[in-house]
Amino acid sequence: SYELTQALSVSVALGQTARITCGGNNIGNKNVHWYQQKPGQAPVVVIYRDSNRPSGIPERFSGSNSGNTATLTISRAQAGDEADYYCQVWDSSTVEFGGGTKLTVL
Amino acid sequence: EVQLVQSGAEVKKPGESLRISCKGSGYSFITYWISWVRQMPGKGLEWLGKIDPSDSYTDYSPSFQGHVTISADKSISTAYLQWSSLRASDTAMYYCARHLAAAGDFDYWGQGTLVTVSS
Repeated sequence: SYELTQALSVSVALGQTARITCGGNNIGNKNVHWYQQKPGQAPVVVIYRDSNRPSGIPERFSGSNSGNTATLTISRAQAGDEADYYCQVWDSSTVEFGGGTKLTVL
Repeated sequence: EVQLVQSGAEVKKPGESLRISCKGSGYSFITYWISWVRQMPGKGLEWLGKIDPSDSYTDYSPSFQGHVTISADKSISTAYLQWSSLRASDTAMYYCARHLAAAGDFDYWGQGTLVTVSS
Protein backbone atom coordinates (compact mmCIF):
# COMPACT_ATOMS: atom_id res chain seq x y z
CA SER A 1 0.00 0.00 0.00
CA TYR A 2 1.00 3.62 -0.47
CA GLU A 3 2.18 5.31 2.71
CA LEU A 4 1.65 8.96 3.63
CA THR A 5 3.71 10.55 6.39
CA GLN A 6 2.59 13.53 8.43
CA ALA A 7 4.07 15.12 11.52
CA LEU A 8 2.00 14.45 14.63
CA SER A 9 1.83 18.11 15.58
CA VAL A 10 2.64 21.59 14.34
CA SER A 11 2.52 24.81 16.34
CA VAL A 12 2.16 28.31 14.96
CA ALA A 13 1.95 31.72 16.55
CA LEU A 14 -1.26 33.63 16.04
CA GLY A 15 -1.09 35.53 12.77
CA GLN A 16 1.91 33.63 11.45
CA THR A 17 2.15 31.01 8.70
CA ALA A 18 1.72 27.30 9.35
CA ARG A 19 2.98 24.64 6.98
CA ILE A 20 1.76 21.09 7.25
CA THR A 21 3.50 18.52 5.11
CA CYS A 22 2.51 15.15 3.71
CA GLY A 23 5.27 12.88 2.48
CA GLY A 24 4.96 10.04 0.01
CA ASN A 25 6.97 8.37 -2.72
CA ASN A 26 6.61 10.58 -5.81
CA ILE A 27 3.51 12.14 -4.32
CA GLY A 28 3.93 14.94 -6.84
CA ASN A 29 2.51 12.55 -9.42
CA LYS A 30 -0.74 12.18 -7.47
CA ASN A 31 -3.63 14.48 -6.64
CA VAL A 32 -3.56 15.37 -2.95
CA HIS A 33 -6.61 16.44 -0.97
CA TRP A 34 -6.52 18.04 2.49
CA TYR A 35 -9.16 17.83 5.21
CA GLN A 36 -9.66 19.82 8.39
CA GLN A 37 -11.33 18.11 11.34
CA LYS A 38 -12.32 19.95 14.48
CA PRO A 39 -13.23 18.07 17.68
CA GLY A 40 -16.61 16.39 17.48
CA GLN A 41 -17.10 17.25 13.82
CA ALA A 42 -16.85 15.47 10.51
CA PRO A 43 -13.87 16.31 8.29
CA VAL A 44 -14.16 19.15 5.79
CA VAL A 45 -12.14 19.44 2.59
CA VAL A 46 -10.01 22.58 2.60
CA ILE A 47 -7.83 21.89 -0.47
CA TYR A 48 -8.55 19.51 -3.34
CA ARG A 49 -6.33 18.39 -6.20
CA ASP A 50 -3.18 19.82 -4.67
CA SER A 51 -4.01 23.51 -4.68
CA ASN A 52 -7.71 24.17 -5.24
CA ARG A 53 -9.90 25.77 -2.57
CA PRO A 54 -13.58 24.83 -2.29
CA SER A 55 -16.02 27.69 -2.03
CA GLY A 56 -16.24 28.97 1.51
CA ILE A 57 -12.66 28.12 2.41
CA PRO A 58 -10.62 31.25 3.17
CA GLU A 59 -7.87 32.33 0.79
CA ARG A 60 -5.47 31.92 3.72
CA PHE A 61 -5.49 28.18 2.91
CA SER A 62 -3.29 27.09 0.03
CA GLY A 63 -1.62 23.93 -1.16
CA SER A 64 1.30 22.73 -3.24
CA ASN A 65 2.63 19.36 -4.32
CA SER A 66 5.98 18.41 -5.83
CA GLY A 67 8.47 15.60 -5.65
CA ASN A 68 7.95 13.61 -2.47
CA THR A 69 6.12 16.29 -0.45
CA ALA A 70 2.73 17.96 -0.52
CA THR A 71 2.24 21.03 1.66
CA LEU A 72 -0.80 22.71 3.16
CA THR A 73 -0.06 26.32 4.02
CA ILE A 74 -2.21 28.36 6.36
CA SER A 75 -1.38 32.06 6.31
CA ARG A 76 -2.23 34.49 9.08
CA ALA A 77 -3.22 31.63 11.36
CA GLN A 78 -6.25 32.17 13.57
CA ALA A 79 -7.41 30.46 16.72
CA GLY A 80 -10.24 28.91 14.72
CA ASP A 81 -7.71 27.07 12.54
CA GLU A 82 -6.79 24.78 15.44
CA ALA A 83 -7.74 21.33 14.22
CA ASP A 84 -6.45 18.04 12.91
CA TYR A 85 -5.43 18.08 9.26
CA TYR A 86 -5.29 15.00 7.04
CA CYS A 87 -3.88 14.53 3.57
CA GLN A 88 -5.46 11.98 1.25
CA VAL A 89 -4.57 10.38 -2.07
CA TRP A 90 -5.90 7.68 -4.33
CA ASP A 91 -3.64 4.69 -4.90
CA SER A 92 -5.11 2.80 -7.85
CA SER A 93 -8.71 2.34 -6.74
CA THR A 94 -8.14 2.63 -3.01
CA VAL A 95 -7.79 5.58 -0.65
CA GLU A 96 -4.93 6.38 1.66
CA PHE A 97 -5.03 8.96 4.44
CA GLY A 98 -2.05 10.42 6.20
CA GLY A 99 -1.89 9.91 9.94
CA GLY A 100 -2.99 13.48 10.61
CA THR A 101 -1.32 16.58 12.03
CA LYS A 102 -2.66 18.47 15.03
CA LEU A 103 -2.29 22.20 14.50
CA THR A 104 -1.95 24.32 17.63
CA VAL A 105 -2.24 28.10 17.36
CA LEU A 106 -0.29 29.76 20.17
CA GLU B 1 -28.58 21.45 -0.50
CA VAL B 2 -26.42 18.35 -0.61
CA GLN B 3 -26.74 16.23 2.52
CA LEU B 4 -25.57 12.85 3.71
CA VAL B 5 -27.55 11.84 6.77
CA GLN B 6 -26.40 8.83 8.74
CA SER B 7 -28.30 6.59 11.12
CA GLY B 8 -28.01 7.02 14.85
CA ALA B 9 -25.56 5.72 17.42
CA GLU B 10 -25.52 2.00 18.14
CA VAL B 11 -24.49 -0.07 21.16
CA LYS B 12 -23.91 -3.74 20.43
CA LYS B 13 -22.34 -6.83 21.98
CA PRO B 14 -19.43 -8.75 20.45
CA GLY B 15 -20.64 -11.25 17.90
CA GLU B 16 -23.80 -9.33 17.04
CA SER B 17 -24.59 -8.08 13.56
CA LEU B 18 -25.19 -4.47 12.57
CA ARG B 19 -26.07 -2.36 9.57
CA ILE B 20 -25.72 1.43 9.53
CA SER B 21 -26.99 3.70 6.80
CA CYS B 22 -26.17 6.88 4.90
CA LYS B 23 -28.94 8.64 2.98
CA GLY B 24 -28.06 11.13 0.27
CA SER B 25 -30.21 14.03 -0.79
CA GLY B 26 -29.92 17.20 -2.84
CA TYR B 27 -28.01 15.57 -5.69
CA SER B 28 -28.16 12.65 -8.12
CA PHE B 29 -27.26 9.74 -5.86
CA ILE B 30 -26.01 7.55 -8.69
CA THR B 31 -23.55 10.16 -9.97
CA TYR B 32 -21.24 9.98 -6.97
CA TRP B 33 -19.59 7.09 -5.23
CA ILE B 34 -19.93 6.65 -1.48
CA SER B 35 -16.98 5.73 0.71
CA TRP B 36 -16.97 4.69 4.36
CA VAL B 37 -14.30 5.96 6.74
CA ARG B 38 -13.53 4.75 10.26
CA GLN B 39 -12.16 6.84 13.09
CA MET B 40 -11.31 4.98 16.26
CA PRO B 41 -11.34 6.99 19.49
CA GLY B 42 -8.54 9.54 19.46
CA LYS B 43 -7.14 8.20 16.19
CA GLY B 44 -6.93 9.14 12.52
CA LEU B 45 -9.06 8.45 9.47
CA GLU B 46 -9.08 4.99 7.88
CA TRP B 47 -10.75 4.16 4.57
CA LEU B 48 -12.88 1.00 4.59
CA GLY B 49 -14.16 0.89 1.04
CA LYS B 50 -16.40 2.44 -1.59
CA ILE B 51 -19.46 1.70 -3.65
CA ASP B 52 -20.79 2.95 -6.96
CA PRO B 53 -24.54 3.29 -6.26
CA SER B 54 -25.38 3.08 -9.95
CA ASP B 55 -24.43 -0.60 -10.14
CA SER B 56 -23.34 -1.48 -6.58
CA TYR B 57 -19.76 -2.17 -7.66
CA THR B 58 -17.54 -2.15 -4.57
CA ASP B 59 -13.88 -1.84 -3.66
CA TYR B 60 -12.50 -2.56 -0.20
CA SER B 61 -9.37 -1.73 1.69
CA PRO B 62 -7.36 -4.93 2.13
CA SER B 63 -7.41 -4.18 5.87
CA PHE B 64 -11.20 -4.47 6.01
CA GLN B 65 -12.02 -6.88 3.17
CA GLY B 66 -14.05 -9.77 4.52
CA HIS B 67 -14.99 -8.07 7.79
CA VAL B 68 -17.42 -5.44 6.50
CA THR B 69 -19.86 -5.31 3.62
CA ILE B 70 -20.83 -2.18 1.74
CA SER B 71 -24.08 -2.04 -0.18
CA ALA B 72 -26.51 0.50 -1.60
CA ASP B 73 -30.14 0.86 -2.59
CA LYS B 74 -30.31 3.50 -5.29
CA SER B 75 -34.12 3.54 -5.21
CA ILE B 76 -33.96 5.18 -1.78
CA SER B 77 -30.57 6.93 -2.21
CA THR B 78 -29.05 5.04 0.70
CA ALA B 79 -25.73 3.33 1.24
CA TYR B 80 -25.03 0.82 3.99
CA LEU B 81 -22.14 -0.54 6.00
CA GLN B 82 -22.68 -3.83 7.75
CA TRP B 83 -20.98 -6.34 9.97
CA SER B 84 -22.05 -9.94 10.51
CA SER B 85 -20.04 -10.38 13.70
CA LEU B 86 -18.87 -7.33 15.59
CA ARG B 87 -15.70 -7.16 17.66
CA ALA B 88 -14.83 -4.80 20.49
CA SER B 89 -12.19 -3.32 18.17
CA ASP B 90 -14.97 -2.14 15.83
CA THR B 91 -15.83 0.54 18.37
CA ALA B 92 -15.41 3.76 16.42
CA MET B 93 -17.08 6.64 14.64
CA TYR B 94 -18.00 5.76 11.06
CA TYR B 95 -18.44 8.38 8.38
CA CYS B 96 -19.81 8.15 4.89
CA ALA B 97 -18.60 10.59 2.24
CA ARG B 98 -19.29 11.13 -1.42
CA HIS B 99 -16.78 11.53 -4.23
CA LEU B 100 -16.47 11.30 -7.97
CA ALA B 101 -15.13 7.96 -9.16
CA ALA B 102 -11.61 7.01 -8.08
CA ALA B 103 -9.88 10.35 -8.06
CA GLY B 104 -12.06 12.96 -6.45
CA ASP B 105 -11.96 14.51 -3.05
CA PHE B 106 -14.58 13.70 -0.43
CA ASP B 107 -16.59 16.86 -0.84
CA TYR B 108 -19.52 16.06 1.45
CA TRP B 109 -19.50 13.95 4.57
CA GLY B 110 -22.18 12.47 6.78
CA GLN B 111 -22.36 13.53 10.41
CA GLY B 112 -20.97 10.20 11.58
CA THR B 113 -22.40 7.15 13.35
CA LEU B 114 -20.86 6.10 16.65
CA VAL B 115 -20.71 2.33 17.04
CA THR B 116 -19.88 0.97 20.48
CA VAL B 117 -19.22 -2.74 20.89
CA SER B 118 -19.01 -3.89 24.48
CA SER B 119 -19.98 -6.92 26.49
